[in-house]
Amino acid sequence: DAKTTQPPSMDCAEGRAANLPCNHSTISGNEYVYWYRQIHSQGPQYIIHGLKNNETNEMASLIITEDRKSSTLILPHATLRDTAVYYCIVPDRGSTLGRLYFGRGTQLTVWP
Amino acid sequence: GAVVSQHPSWVICKSGTSVKIECRSLDFQATTMFWYRQFPKQSLMLMATSNEGSKATYEQGVEKDKFLINHASLTLSTLTVTSAHPEDSSFYICSARFRANEKLFFGSGTQLSVL
Repeated sequence: DAKTTQPPSMDCAEGRAANLPCNHSTISGNEYVYWYRQIHSQGPQYIIHGLKNNETNEMASLIITEDRKSSTLILPHATLRDTAVYYCIVPDRGSTLGRLYFGRGTQLTVWP
Repeated sequence: GAVVSQHPSWVICKSGTSVKIECRSLDFQATTMFWYRQFPKQSLMLMATSNEGSKATYEQGVEKDKFLINHASLTLSTLTVTSAHPEDSSFYICSARFRANEKLFFGSGTQLSVL
């Protein structure tokens, strides 16, 4: 089962920053937080992941709280093409397989 | 980034037939592959996990005799939906990973429609 909680939907004006929160209060010390997004009828696209330090790449920034119980994905200048469902995922702790269970995610709508 | 190729993109079949979906990692060795299914307006549901050369581990409630998974090489996994029925119609997505704590790469998905 998914171990994360996200708001079901958010919206954002084009060109503004989109800040997507995620709670993962049961995360353990060596578990990464992964962010993916899915545009309708496509496979999920990797965005970013992190352990405890903030991370940035060409797509987004990931801010992880010091206690690691929550994180925020930041899209600094949202575009219409960023409209998608965003998933925050923590691997399953209970096995060596490292399975990733998807929660419901956040539907981000970017409007002109 | 790494590429996972999934084929076919869509398939329509008659009830009772079997359908095979292929998932290939094109530029890395996928020691672990995962298969998901997704119904409209719902999230991805993990079906099974497979490691190269060993039997797949199925999630609770997923029939292993119905959804046959083969991961015979480090670059190829297949999902065969046997004796498909209309309720098996869904979007099937594979993903691959080189090793633990590394990101998953996803295929583009296969839309299965069973008539």
